Amino acid sequence: KNQVEQSPQSLIILEGKNCTLQCNYTVSPFSNLRWYKQDTGRGPVSLTIMTFSENTKSNGRYTATLDADTKQSSLHITASQLSDSASYICVVSLGHGGSQGNLIFGKGTKLSVKP
Amino acid sequence: NAGVMQNPRHLVRRRGQEARLRCSPMKGHSHVYWYRQLPEEGLKFMVYLQKENIIDESGMPKERFSAEFPKEGPSILRIQQVVRGDSAAYFCASSPGAPSGNTIYFGEGSWLTVV
Repeated sequence: KNQVEQSPQSLIILEGKNCTLQCNYTVSPFSNLRWYKQDTGRGPVSLTIMTFSENTKSNGRYTATLDADTKQSSLHITASQLSDSASYICVVSLGHGGSQGNLIFGKGTKLSVKP
Repeated sequence: NAGVMQNPRHLVRRRGQEARLRCSPMKGHSHVYWYRQLPEEGLKFMVYLQKENIIDESGMPKERFSAEFPKEGPSILRIQQVVRGDSAAYFCASSPGAPSGNTIYFGEGSWLTVV
């Protein structure tokens, strides 16, 4: 069964600290993996998208890694800010082609950054 | 350059009424998607449309739900005879081309409450 599992479910860190969020997937065939940030009451915003051949991709203080062999991805946030408080969603795309039904969403990790 | 526009942002309906949610994609985007998000749950795919065509509706409930994306005007998600279980956030997203490999941009969502 195609699934995307994220951990931890929730995380609290102090402002200025780093953190790493995990995503494990059992999706085949694999096309790409995306990380989204969703603020409370808002729509998801794209952070990164990585294909099979990409191991790492950065977007400012956000760095995503992908290990296609172990089917794991991580999102590392450096020098966290209060505005980083949000849910972070891992999304894996199946390699079948154009159907949107082939995007598998994780439930997200809820990050709280405290002053 | 406006993003994906959804309205209404909040909608309250009594059981048995109809709910209509509208979505205008980003300029130049001809691919539209609808998702549903229940509290503390991940986003669930509902339907993928291109202009005047339904590409994939595998996530749509068989009854009471319908979607369209006419040649002119916004995409509409219609829920007939709403029940309490329909209460959720409904997100629209769009992309310039097929979802594989393209960034998908989300709107801010429409929150439906059924009383």
